[in-house]
Amino acid sequence: SQQGEEDPQALSIQEGENATMNCSYKTSINNLQWYRQNSGRGLVHLILIRSNEREKHSGRLRVTLDTSKKSSSLLITASRAADTASYFCASWMDSSYKLIFGSGTRLLVRP
Amino acid sequence: DVKVTQSSRYLVKRTGEKVFLECVQDMDHENMFWYRQDPGLGLRLIYFSYDVKMKEKGDIPEGYSVSREKKERFSLILESASTNQTSMYLCASSLGGRTNQPQHFGDGTRLSIL
Repeated sequence: SQQGEEDPQALSIQEGENATMNCSYKTSINNLQWYRQNSGRGLVHLILIRSNEREKHSGRLRVTLDTSKKSSSLLITASRAADTASYFCASWMDSSYKLIFGSGTRLLVRP
Repeated sequence: DVKVTQSSRYLVKRTGEKVFLECVQDMDHENMFWYRQDPGLGLRLIYFSYDVKMKEKGDIPEGYSVSREKKERFSLILESASTNQTSMYLCASSLGGRTNQPQHFGDGTRLSIL
Protein backbone atom coordinates (compact mmCIF):
# COMPACT_ATOMS: atom_id res chain seq x y z
CA SER A 1 0.00 0.00 0.00
CA GLN A 2 1.08 3.58 -0.54
CA GLN A 3 2.90 5.34 2.29
CA GLY A 4 1.24 8.60 1.32
CA GLU A 5 -2.40 8.94 0.41
CA GLU A 6 -3.73 12.19 -0.97
CA ASP A 7 -7.20 13.51 -0.43
CA PRO A 8 -9.19 14.40 -2.43
CA GLN A 9 -8.29 12.36 -5.49
CA ALA A 10 -9.66 15.13 -7.70
CA LEU A 11 -10.50 18.77 -7.10
CA SER A 12 -12.16 21.31 -9.39
CA ILE A 13 -12.20 24.99 -8.46
CA GLN A 14 -12.69 28.40 -10.05
CA GLU A 15 -9.72 30.61 -10.84
CA GLY A 16 -8.94 32.85 -7.88
CA GLU A 17 -10.14 30.36 -5.27
CA ASN A 18 -7.84 28.54 -2.88
CA ALA A 19 -7.06 24.85 -3.31
CA THR A 20 -6.26 22.57 -0.38
CA MET A 21 -4.88 19.08 -0.76
CA ASN A 22 -4.19 16.69 2.08
CA CYS A 23 -1.72 13.87 2.49
CA SER A 24 -1.59 11.16 5.12
CA TYR A 25 1.26 8.78 5.74
CA LYS A 26 1.67 5.66 7.82
CA THR A 27 5.10 5.56 9.45
CA SER A 28 7.50 8.03 10.97
CA ILE A 29 9.23 10.24 8.46
CA ASN A 30 12.30 12.41 8.28
CA ASN A 31 10.57 14.94 6.05
CA LEU A 32 7.92 15.31 3.39
CA GLN A 33 8.01 16.78 -0.09
CA TRP A 34 5.34 18.00 -2.50
CA TYR A 35 5.65 17.64 -6.27
CA ARG A 36 3.61 18.81 -9.20
CA GLN A 37 3.09 17.01 -12.51
CA ASN A 38 1.64 18.60 -15.60
CA SER A 39 -0.12 16.25 -17.97
CA GLY A 40 2.34 14.07 -19.86
CA ARG A 41 5.39 15.55 -18.14
CA GLY A 42 7.74 14.64 -15.31
CA LEU A 43 7.37 15.75 -11.71
CA VAL A 44 8.62 19.08 -10.48
CA HIS A 45 9.67 19.59 -6.86
CA LEU A 46 7.66 22.29 -5.10
CA ILE A 47 8.57 22.31 -1.44
CA LEU A 48 10.18 20.24 1.32
CA ILE A 49 9.13 20.37 4.96
CA ARG A 50 11.20 18.72 7.68
CA SER A 51 9.72 16.70 10.50
CA ASN A 52 10.60 19.41 13.04
CA GLU A 53 8.80 22.11 11.04
CA ARG A 54 5.08 22.81 11.25
CA GLU A 55 4.56 25.22 8.39
CA LYS A 56 6.43 26.44 5.34
CA HIS A 57 5.68 28.99 2.63
CA SER A 58 6.86 29.41 -0.93
CA GLY A 59 5.14 32.08 -2.99
CA ARG A 60 1.45 31.11 -3.22
CA LEU A 61 2.13 27.73 -1.63
CA ARG A 62 1.69 26.94 2.04
CA VAL A 63 2.51 23.53 3.45
CA THR A 64 1.72 22.30 6.94
CA LEU A 65 2.90 19.17 8.68
CA ASP A 66 1.31 17.50 11.70
CA THR A 67 3.51 14.60 12.76
CA SER A 68 1.13 13.61 15.57
CA LYS A 69 -1.59 12.99 12.98
CA LYS A 70 0.83 11.83 10.30
CA SER A 71 -0.62 14.30 7.84
CA SER A 72 0.35 17.24 5.66
CA SER A 73 -1.58 19.75 3.62
CA LEU A 74 -0.73 21.84 0.58
CA LEU A 75 -2.60 25.11 0.11
CA ILE A 76 -2.43 27.00 -3.18
CA THR A 77 -3.81 30.50 -2.77
CA ALA A 78 -5.40 32.60 -5.52
CA SER A 79 -5.26 29.72 -7.98
CA ARG A 80 -4.66 30.20 -11.68
CA ALA A 81 -5.57 28.08 -14.67
CA ALA A 82 -1.86 27.30 -15.02
CA ASP A 83 -1.99 25.53 -11.62
CA THR A 84 -3.99 22.74 -13.26
CA ALA A 85 -1.89 19.63 -12.65
CA SER A 86 -1.54 16.58 -10.41
CA TYR A 87 0.03 17.10 -7.02
CA PHE A 88 1.89 14.40 -5.11
CA CYS A 89 3.21 14.18 -1.62
CA ALA A 90 6.28 12.07 -0.99
CA SER A 91 7.65 11.03 2.36
CA TRP A 92 11.25 10.19 3.12
CA MET A 93 12.15 7.53 5.61
CA ASP A 94 15.76 7.28 6.70
CA SER A 95 15.25 3.58 7.31
CA SER A 96 14.72 2.91 3.62
CA TYR A 97 16.67 5.73 1.92
CA LYS A 98 13.91 6.36 -0.57
CA LEU A 99 10.94 8.58 -1.27
CA ILE A 100 7.49 7.04 -1.07
CA PHE A 101 4.94 8.77 -3.27
CA GLY A 102 1.22 8.98 -2.81
CA SER A 103 -1.25 8.47 -5.63
CA GLY A 104 -1.82 12.19 -6.16
CA THR A 105 -4.56 14.80 -6.33
CA ARG A 106 -5.71 15.98 -9.76
CA LEU A 107 -6.43 19.70 -9.60
CA LEU A 108 -8.47 21.48 -12.27
CA VAL A 109 -8.63 25.26 -12.11
CA ARG A 110 -11.41 26.59 -14.32
CA PRO A 111 -10.80 29.97 -15.98
CA ASP B 1 18.80 24.30 -13.93
CA VAL B 2 19.12 20.55 -13.67
CA LYS B 3 18.24 18.73 -16.82
CA VAL B 4 17.26 15.08 -16.83
CA THR B 5 16.84 13.72 -20.33
CA GLN B 6 15.12 10.48 -21.20
CA SER B 7 15.97 9.15 -24.63
CA SER B 8 12.43 8.54 -25.87
CA ARG B 9 9.06 10.09 -25.06
CA TYR B 10 7.13 7.21 -26.65
CA LEU B 11 8.24 3.67 -27.35
CA VAL B 12 6.41 0.64 -28.73
CA LYS B 13 7.96 -2.80 -28.37
CA ARG B 14 6.86 -6.41 -28.68
CA THR B 15 6.49 -9.07 -26.01
CA GLY B 16 9.76 -10.85 -25.36
CA GLU B 17 11.99 -8.07 -26.68
CA LYS B 18 14.86 -6.70 -24.60
CA VAL B 19 14.16 -3.01 -24.04
CA PHE B 20 16.58 -0.29 -23.02
CA LEU B 21 15.45 3.01 -21.50
CA GLU B 22 18.17 5.60 -21.21
CA CYS B 23 18.43 8.53 -18.83
CA VAL B 24 21.11 11.23 -18.67
CA GLN B 25 21.49 14.05 -16.13
CA ASP B 26 23.78 17.03 -16.50
CA MET B 27 24.28 18.18 -12.90
CA ASP B 28 26.78 15.67 -11.53
CA HIS B 29 24.17 14.16 -9.19
CA GLU B 30 25.19 11.10 -7.25
CA ASN B 31 21.72 9.57 -6.99
CA MET B 32 19.60 8.34 -9.86
CA PHE B 33 16.23 6.60 -9.80
CA TRP B 34 13.83 4.74 -12.05
CA TYR B 35 10.09 4.79 -11.33
CA ARG B 36 7.05 3.55 -13.11
CA GLN B 37 3.78 5.41 -12.92
CA ASP B 38 0.41 3.75 -13.36
CA PRO B 39 -3.07 5.26 -12.91
CA GLY B 40 -4.25 4.98 -9.32
CA LEU B 41 -0.93 3.58 -8.11
CA GLY B 42 1.22 6.69 -8.07
CA LEU B 43 4.96 6.31 -8.57
CA ARG B 44 6.64 3.06 -7.66
CA LEU B 45 10.41 2.76 -7.34
CA ILE B 46 12.00 0.12 -9.54
CA TYR B 47 15.72 0.63 -8.92
CA PHE B 48 18.02 3.34 -7.69
CA SER B 49 21.72 4.05 -7.66
CA TYR B 50 23.69 6.25 -5.29
CA ASP B 51 27.01 5.96 -7.07
CA VAL B 52 28.60 4.73 -10.26
CA LYS B 53 28.32 0.95 -10.63
CA MET B 54 26.13 0.82 -7.50
CA LYS B 55 22.48 -0.20 -7.62
CA GLU B 56 19.78 -1.13 -5.20
CA LYS B 57 16.40 -2.71 -5.70
CA GLY B 58 13.33 -0.61 -5.13
CA ASP B 59 9.83 -1.86 -4.50
CA ILE B 60 9.15 -3.56 -7.84
CA PRO B 61 12.45 -4.75 -9.39
CA GLU B 62 11.15 -8.00 -10.86
CA GLY B 63 11.59 -8.16 -14.61
CA TYR B 64 13.98 -5.20 -14.67
CA SER B 65 17.69 -4.57 -14.37
CA VAL B 66 19.79 -1.41 -14.44
CA SER B 67 23.21 -0.25 -15.47
CA ARG B 68 25.23 2.73 -14.28
CA GLU B 69 28.62 2.72 -15.94
CA LYS B 70 28.99 6.51 -15.85
CA LYS B 71 27.81 8.99 -13.25
CA GLU B 72 25.53 10.88 -15.63
CA ARG B 73 23.81 7.89 -17.21
CA PHE B 74 21.37 5.38 -15.70
CA SER B 75 19.81 2.76 -17.93
CA LEU B 76 16.75 0.65 -17.23
CA ILE B 77 16.57 -2.73 -18.97
CA LEU B 78 13.50 -4.86 -19.47
CA GLU B 79 15.08 -8.27 -19.95
CA SER B 80 12.07 -9.82 -21.73
CA ALA B 81 9.26 -7.31 -22.12
CA SER B 82 5.76 -8.33 -21.11
CA THR B 83 2.43 -6.58 -21.56
CA ASN B 84 2.17 -5.82 -17.84
CA GLN B 85 5.24 -3.61 -18.22
CA THR B 86 3.26 -1.17 -20.35
CA SER B 87 3.55 2.01 -18.33
CA MET B 88 5.01 5.49 -17.98
CA TYR B 89 8.64 5.30 -16.87
CA LEU B 90 10.21 8.23 -15.07
CA CYS B 91 13.88 8.81 -14.34
CA ALA B 92 15.05 11.15 -11.59
CA SER B 93 18.29 12.34 -10.06
CA SER B 94 19.28 14.05 -6.82
CA LEU B 95 22.33 15.25 -4.94
CA GLY B 96 24.45 13.64 -2.39
CA GLY B 97 24.48 10.04 -1.29
CA ARG B 98 21.74 8.64 0.88
CA THR B 99 20.20 11.92 1.87
CA ASN B 100 16.82 13.42 1.30
CA GLN B 101 17.33 15.97 -1.44
CA PRO B 102 14.68 17.05 -3.93
CA GLN B 103 14.52 14.81 -6.95
CA HIS B 104 14.66 16.18 -10.49
CA PHE B 105 12.64 14.28 -13.06
CA GLY B 106 12.79 13.72 -16.77
CA ASP B 107 9.65 14.02 -18.89
CA GLY B 108 9.09 10.28 -18.94
CA THR B 109 8.94 7.50 -21.50
CA ARG B 110 5.52 6.10 -22.28
CA LEU B 111 6.24 2.47 -23.12
CA SER B 112 3.74 0.18 -24.79
CA ILE B 113 4.39 -3.55 -25.00
CA LEU B 114 2.29 -5.30 -27.65
